[in-house]
Order: sequence, then structure tokens, then C-alpha cells
Amino acid sequence: AQSVAQPEDQVNVAEGNPLTVKCTYSVSGNPYLFWYVQYPNRGLQFLLKYITGDNLVKGSYGFEAEFNKSQTSFHLKKPSALVSDSALYFCAVRPSNFGNEKLTFGTGTRLTIIP
Amino acid sequence: GAVVSQHPSWVICKSGTSVKIECRSLDFQATTMFWYRQFPKQSLMLMATSNEGSKATYEQGVEKDKFLINHASLTLSTLTVTSAHPEDSSFYICSTGSYSNQPQHFGDGTRLSIL
Repeated sequence: AQSVAQPEDQVNVAEGNPLTVKCTYSVSGNPYLFWYVQYPNRGLQFLLKYITGDNLVKGSYGFEAEFNKSQTSFHLKKPSALVSDSALYFCAVRPSNFGNEKLTFGTGTRLTIIP
Repeated sequence: GAVVSQHPSWVICKSGTSVKIECRSLDFQATTMFWYRQFPKQSLMLMATSNEGSKATYEQGVEKDKFLINHASLTLSTLTVTSAHPEDSSFYICSTGSYSNQPQHFGDGTRLSIL
């Protein structure tokens, strides 16, 4: 069975600084990896995904994520944080060889950008 | 991506009332939908998988008679919380199923408060 770990419950970053939200995964075979963001009292919004190809993938709102197969990681990054980036972030994984498997989510990381 | 409409957004009702939550896939034929429950400051908890034209699949520990799921068409799944009690108060979120490298798409959630 697959699993996702988000080791940090809370990440605080000063506005304008780079941010990283960590994610590691465990899956049989090759992974499909996803990042979602959740604002208060809202559902999850899709940010970006890694399927294959370039290890650095770019998504919405200036976010990007780097896939590292040897470290089984898929950390979310942004070069310069905005106060509006404050939200709850979820990493998710699905094994590529089980196409209809539901996504497995991490426990979430609350990102707070300090003005 | 797929657009998912969930309503109502907020429900406040008395203990013992049954509450129905609708989840509509507006531009995508969803043979599978998922229902999640989210407690404050916590991750998503998958409650059940809704399958169009057949019975839902419930996760361990979720009472199927308490949380009735109907998926009568490719665009609509409903979750009915029967005889709701204060402990059922929570944030409920639906999503479309997805396949392979496609993300799941989420509704905006329903905040249920039982008095």
C-alpha cells in the first residue's frame, strides 16, 4: 500500500522569502504525485502534478515541485512567498500501475506567511 | 479540469434531523466519487467511495446506515447524514474519481453543525 508523509504540521515563512513544504512518499513502482492547496472553509484545489519527464514541475500561483526518486520526495517550493499563500497544503500519491486507485493524501502542512 | 459543485455550503440543524449534501460533477461524467470528512486542523478522512449505479464502498469504521450515499447518475452523488447528532458536526468534502495521471477534483465542502 502507498503512503505519504508530510513531516511538518506547520511552516512559517517571512513574506518575500523562499518557501519549501516537504513531502515524502512510498509506493510500489513509479508514482504519480500531486499537490493540493486548501483555503479556509473550501475544498482542495489542484496545484500541480508529476507524471514523468522533468523532475521540476511548475504549477499554479508560481509554485513548483521537485521530484527526487532516490529520496522518494516531492517537495513543494516557491521562490518568493506571498501572504496570500497562507493555507493548508496536501501532498498525494497514486501508483502509476494502478490507474484507478484513489489518491493517498498526506496529513497536511499549514503554511503561514508572515508579513 | 473538472468542475465540482457541492451544496449546501453551510448547514445548521437540530439534533435528530437528516441532512442531505449534494455533489455534482458539472462537466465530467463521474462513475466514481469520493466522500471525505475533515475535522478541524486535520487531514481528510475518506468515508466512502460512491459508485454510479451500484452500492457505495465504505471505509472501515464508517456506519453505512448513518451515512447514506446515492449515486444515481454520472453527475450526481448525494450523502445523507441520518438522524444527525452533534458528533456528526464536521466539514464534508466530495471529489470526483480520477484515473491514471489525472487529479481528483474537489467540491468546496459543506460545513455541518448539529445543535
